[in-house]
Amino acid sequence: KAGVTQTPRYLIKTRGQQVTLSCSPISGHRSVSWYQQTPGQGLQFLFEYFSETQRNKGNFPGRFSGRQFSNSRSEMNVSTLELGDSALYLCASSFEQGENEKLFFGSGTQLSVL
Amino acid sequence: AQSVAQPEDQVNVAEGNPLTVKCTYSVSGNPYLFWYVQYPNRGLQFLLKYITGDNLVKGSYGFEAEFNKSQTSFHLKKPSALVSDSALYFCAVRDIAQAGTALIFGKGTTLSVSS
Repeated sequence: KAGVTQTPRYLIKTRGQQVTLSCSPISGHRSVSWYQQTPGQGLQFLFEYFSETQRNKGNFPGRFSGRQFSNSRSEMNVSTLELGDSALYLCASSFEQGENEKLFFGSGTQLSVL
Repeated sequence: AQSVAQPEDQVNVAEGNPLTVKCTYSVSGNPYLFWYVQYPNRGLQFLLKYITGDNLVKGSYGFEAEFNKSQTSFHLKKPSALVSDSALYFCAVRDIAQAGTALIFGKGTTLSVSS
């Protein structure tokens, strides 16, 4: 089975722009979640989608949004980019949304905001 | 508030020696605890989890973790370290304030195994 695929691998944007990141989960997985990883804050939960519905949301401003399609693929959008948005964005998928499910992570998209 | 602490930024161990990466947690109710490992330029990989049952949990690549409720700890251990174990290790707890799979991660511990 193919793993979680994230595209693009690297992105460079300037302040004020917007960006869309893509995630294809493992085949058959219905839950997709997103995390932001920075050296200072570590890993922080952004949001989770299950069956095209956002089920959970972390403590991030409304500039961060996402969606999930009927094939479980997910996109994450960040509008009006700020320097502090520079981070590794990780997507994770799981078969179900159970509380003891293990997550399968992609390699991430490294976003640099200049 | 729930939280996870990894008190050591870095752990250094010689190959063949036992290793321990420490984790303490603070949650209300029963914790769901996880360990993940991150290799350079890669995403995280699941190592093991504790949900209930035996306090000693065995996981991937020869790792195990010991759940200690009285000390609120979940330390990761391996009897004999390999150079290839060098990576960034994260302890995590399920965020019970959220439905679904959301995790609260510790800051991570870099494990360096020397030959």
